[in-house]
Amino acid sequence: GENVEQHPSTLSVQEGDSAVIKCTYSDSASNYFPWYKQELGKRPQLIIDIRSNVGEKKDQRIAVTLNKTAKHFSLHITETQPEDSAVYFCAAMRNKFYFGSGTKLNVKP
Amino acid sequence: DAGVIQSPRHEVTEMGQEVTLRCKPISGHDYLFWYRQTMMRGLELLIYFNNNVPIDDSGMPEDRFSAKMPNASFSTLKIQPSEPRDSAVYFCASSLHNYGYTFGSGTRLTVV
Repeated sequence: GENVEQHPSTLSVQEGDSAVIKCTYSDSASNYFPWYKQELGKRPQLIIDIRSNVGEKKDQRIAVTLNKTAKHFSLHITETQPEDSAVYFCAAMRNKFYFGSGTKLNVKP
Repeated sequence: DAGVIQSPRHEVTEMGQEVTLRCKPISGHDYLFWYRQTMMRGLELLIYFNNNVPIDDSGMPEDRFSAKMPNASFSTLKIQPSEPRDSAVYFCASSLHNYGYTFGSGTRLTVV
């Protein structure tokens, strides 16, 4: 089956700085890569996704890049704000979702 | 749409008791998933359904766990008998054509 690895497990940045979270996957047949944000005590919420026929997608301060050859994809958050503090999960889909282990992002005011 | 609705939000039960978790997916969604989240193991897929039919239950930890989807608007996850190690947050999620899951608010289960 698919194996998704996510790094780093924790990330601390100063407000206004950028944050980058990286994921690798093992199955070249995976074709859909969503990112979820989970605030403490709440449900995971989809924030951005990318399909395998696209290399980059941007939505305001967040962007996702995909390198199919290297089998890795990344989440980029620019101009971070304290409300961006949460746990972020990547996932790769081949028939079903395989989630990464999560990155706890702390944005210091 | 009210989103994915789960009940109860919290459940505290004694070891050995039966526990039933409920989920109402978003209307029109054709996939439904049950996940378990713990600090140690993260998000684990237990089972998923497509058009009310169970497709993959390889994540169901033991025979004590069972799930049903009698119709397109309702699913249950049952644990019988429950054990303390079953304590976790159980999420239900639904999607259309297996893209872009929407998660419910979860059920926090505590087995004492």
